[in-house]
Amino acid sequence: NAGVTQTPKFRILKIGQSMTLQCAQDMNHNYMYWYRQDPGMGLKLIYYSVGAGITDKGEVPNGYNVSRSTTEDFPLRLELAAPSQTSVYFCASSSDRHTYEQYFGPGTRLTVT
Amino acid sequence: AQTVTQSQPEMSVQEAETVTLSCTYDTSENNYYLFWYKQPPSRQMILVIRQEAYKQQNATENRFSVNFQKAAKSFSLKISDSQLGDTAMYFCGVSEKLVFGKGTKLTVNP
Repeated sequence: NAGVTQTPKFRILKIGQSMTLQCAQDMNHNYMYWYRQDPGMGLKLIYYSVGAGITDKGEVPNGYNVSRSTTEDFPLRLELAAPSQTSVYFCASSSDRHTYEQYFGPGTRLTVT
Repeated sequence: AQTVTQSQPEMSVQEAETVTLSCTYDTSENNYYLFWYKQPPSRQMILVIRQEAYKQQNATENRFSVNFQKAAKSFSLKISDSQLGDTAMYFCGVSEKLVFGKGTKLTVNP
């Protein structure tokens, strides 16, 4: 199993550009999550999904959108990138709400200039 | 709302010694879970230990154990026989939506 994969690993965006961060998991997990980690800080939840077709906002959803058309994929869309979105983005998945053990991807380092 | 506070931004310990990392939290949920995650320089997030709030017995995973005080909403991590590979950021987290603290940077010195 590859676990949770994220692409790209690094990306530089200009202000106002848009992009999609890809996340895929091959563990058949229902729950998937997107976090951002700012320098010297912990993780903050952006969006999460409890299954295909179901998504909900986390702590910091503004400026982002998500979709979940399949169990495996959970892309994060940035519209009109801003310098405040410079961060490391982590995708994670878990099998169900009772285990709570999340498996994390390796992260995407995004710089907006 | 859920909040998590880690009051020690940085800590250091000598190899083979014991260190305790502090975490306090607040949650309105009745049943919840608490976690410690480790983030080494590779940036990968790794689950260290997990505690279910309704269980009174403290969780233990090899050299890692917790001191869970539900009434005080405290969840500290004890690392025994510290190893150089334990050098990492440690994040405390609570419940389903995983609210994390800001982390404690632990350095294990040879």
